[in-house]
Amino acid sequence: GAGVSQSPSNKVTEKGKDVELRCDPISGHTALYWYRQSLGQGLEFLIYFQGNSAPDKSGLPSDRFSAERTGGSVSTLTIQRTQQEDSAVYLCASSLGQGFTEAFFGQGTRLTVV
Amino acid sequence: SQQGEEDPQALSIQEGENATMNCSYKTSINNLQWYRQNSGRGLVHLILIRSNEREKHSGRLRVTLDTSKKSSSLLITASRAADTASYFCATDSLSGNTPLVFGKGTRLSVIA
Repeated sequence: GAGVSQSPSNKVTEKGKDVELRCDPISGHTALYWYRQSLGQGLEFLIYFQGNSAPDKSGLPSDRFSAERTGGSVSTLTIQRTQQEDSAVYLCASSLGQGFTEAFFGQGTRLTVV
Repeated sequence: SQQGEEDPQALSIQEGENATMNCSYKTSINNLQWYRQNSGRGLVHLILIRSNEREKHSGRLRVTLDTSKKSSSLLITASRAADTASYFCATDSLSGNTPLVFGKGTRLSVIA
């Protein structure tokens, strides 16, 4: 595709429900990143996929958060038993590879937990 | 964890003035990048400077890197109202195969 695509753009969910956020990276990009951004704050790193290497999950805030990347392309971020503090914009980015390359961002998914 | 810390947190200037934002980081890096985020969501890449470079230019942007001080600066010359946005620096570690880590950003307001 022309760019990184994220869906849905907005998601409102009730506390305790599970949600899935999707990211379609740019074709051919081996690196994929998930970040979380609360209102007016910086980007909080969540998880990083690079090629066939084991993902770097060091940023996931709790075991309620998980992500997978199927076939080295599409990625899904799952949040189980959502809490109000999970409300944020979830940003996905992809790049050709780690080091010396720029990351291209999607427009994000705004998650609101009520 | 956040590697970079931008300074100042917020900056307000008049159109036509120059804007300077600084970024400090903690560990040795491969490269440092600057991104811009409008009041929306997606970030846009502005410029990348490698660890063996000291200065780089792109249009009205000038970036410097001082690896001895673990710091970088972004200068926007002749600012325009359309430059109003948040600016973030991002680094990846020299240790390799690490994600981009972003700072908290500088919110720039350019007043017409």
